Order: sequence, then structure tokens, then C-alpha cells
Amino acid sequence: DAGVIQSPRHEVTEMGQEVTLRCKPISGHDYLFWYRQTMMRGLELLIYFNNNVPIDDSGMPEDRFSAKMPNASFSTLKIQPSEPRDSAVYFCASSFFMGQGYNEQFFGPGTRLTVL
Amino acid sequence: DAKTTQPNSMESNEEEPVHLPCNHSTISGTDYIHWYRQLPSQGPEYVIHGLTSNVNNRMASLAIAEDRKSSTLILHRATLRDAAVYYCILRAGGYNFNKFYFGSGTKLNVKP
Repeated sequence: DAGVIQSPRHEVTEMGQEVTLRCKPISGHDYLFWYRQTMMRGLELLIYFNNNVPIDDSGMPEDRFSAKMPNASFSTLKIQPSEPRDSAVYFCASSFFMGQGYNEQFFGPGTRLTVL
Repeated sequence: DAKTTQPNSMESNEEEPVHLPCNHSTISGTDYIHWYRQLPSQGPEYVIHGLTSNVNNRMASLAIAEDRKSSTLILHRATLRDAAVYYCILRAGGYNFNKFYFGSGTKLNVKP
């Protein structure tokens, strides 16, 4: 398996522009997670899906952020409009329930977003 | 949110064992202890997890205190490739079992 695939790997945009980050989870995984990592706040969970349905979006910072999962093999995280403080590395991860206490999350390589 | 406390950084020599500590004094009976690590410029990767008993796998060992208020990740022979940030995470039971709180982790430096 190719692992979790994210695109683009790097994105540079100007303040006010719309940004769309993409993720393809590992085939067969029924959970998908979006994280954001910054030096100041570390690694934060933004939202996660189970069977394409958003389960918990309490980590989404504000209405400018939205995430969708139209099918089991694709998810997007959109920021509109983008702001410089959104600059971060965004990770997508996927998992499936492996048994009691064991739900390993497999992370993608991340998208480094820079908003000028 | 169940919280963990880890040293900011540690240093080790190559080929020597490394003991990475984690305090989790507010752990509940259903919380599992997970360890992940993040190599430079990569996403985190799973290392090991446990509930009450010590655990071993090909990557590491996990020693859990009897009262479960602390745990130690043991790398038996550190290599340069083990230089990473190591995160100790409490995985809650119940509805929020997928919500991981990564904290700031321990940055491990391995010297040749």
C-alpha cells in the first residue's frame, strides 16, 4: 500500500485566497483525521471522520475552515479566506479499529502551507 | 483532556539504551498509553501501546508503573535513525477513543 497520500506537499498563497488540501487515506481504513502542527501549539486534531461522516469537529479553529469526505478514498480541508496565522503543516491520518485499545493512526507526509 | 508530562529533550549515545519517561498522574482506568514518534520532516508514526502490563515489540519496550501514573519507553539500542520527537499519549476509552492529544513530546538527540 502507498500509505496516506496528501497533496500538495507545499502550498504558498496570499492572504485572502482559498486553499484546498487533499488526502487519500489507506484503502480499507474507516477513520480519517486532519491535524495541524505549528511551533506554538504543537500537533492539534482539527476534525475526524468515521465512514465518511464527521464525528468531531471541535478542533476546527473557526468558520473559515471546512472539511469534507465525499467518499471513502478522498477528503479535503478547505480554508477560505486564508490568513497568515493559518501557516502550518497539515497532516492527514487514517486508521481502522484493530481491537481493544489498539487503533494505530497512519499519518501522511503533510502539507506545508505558507500564507503570505 | 487527559494530559501527559514529558521532558523537553534528552540525549543518548548511539548503540546505548534510552529510557524516555512520561508522567500521567490523571490517567483513568480505561485510558491506554500510546507512544508515537515523529522523525524530522515526517508525520508521526506509531511506536507501541499498553494498558497495564509491560509490552515489547520490534521497535521498543513499554514499562508501565504499577499505579499507572507513569510509564517509560525503552529503546534498547539507539541508532541515529531514532533521533525524533517522542510523544506519550493517553488514549481515552469510550466515545472519544480516537481523540489523541499529542502534547509537546521529548526531542531525542542521538550522538554517534
